[in-house]
Amino acid sequence: EDKVVQSPLSLVVHEGDTVTLNCSYEVTNFRSLLWYKQEKKAPTFLFMLTSSGIEKKSGRLSSILDKKELFSILNITATQTGDSAIYLCAVLKTSYDKVIFGPGTSLSVIP
Amino acid sequence: DGGITQSPKYLFRKEGQNVTLSCEQNLNHDAMYWYRQDPGQGLRLIYYSQIVNDFQKGDIAEGYSVSREKKESFPLTVTSAQKNPTAFYLCASSMTPRSATYEQYFGPGTRLTVT
Repeated sequence: EDKVVQSPLSLVVHEGDTVTLNCSYEVTNFRSLLWYKQEKKAPTFLFMLTSSGIEKKSGRLSSILDKKELFSILNITATQTGDSAIYLCAVLKTSYDKVIFGPGTSLSVIP
Repeated sequence: DGGITQSPKYLFRKEGQNVTLSCEQNLNHDAMYWYRQDPGQGLRLIYYSQIVNDFQKGDIAEGYSVSREKKESFPLTVTSAQKNPTAFYLCASSMTPRSATYEQYFGPGTRLTVT
């Protein structure tokens, strides 16, 4: 059965800290791994990772995929209170019809 | 503005009643999806549709039904057969899934409470 696991499930940090969120997967016919940020309602897209070892960056956020070890990390440097959200990891299969989501990591950044 | 709309934001129903959640998109996306989100469980796929007049069951389709008569619209009916319908429901759409820059756009969600 396809599975996406995230850790930790929740995390509290102080502003300015650097955090690393983990996502591991056991999915047949893997195509890409996706990261989303969900603040209150609708998740918003952050990254899509298809190739191993190529870091994607957007401001203070970066992510990398390891297809051999079947995991990805999402790094957030110099965290701000606006980074408080649920971060969702998901896997897109080669059949392109299903995206399998992990349970999410709830991040709280306190001043 | 382009985007996905879901209505209503909050919905209250009594047990035994069917209820329909609306999802409309004006992004000209081919594919549309319905997810259910419960605390600590992430998003679980209920139904998805890649083209008009066609849809497939996701992982938790029991007790739900959908239709896709128009490209822009993908309503979800929560029937009385759904044992635990209270949840947050998210609708999403995407370009043809084989697009190299695949991305799902989500609506704001509907929180359904059944008592």
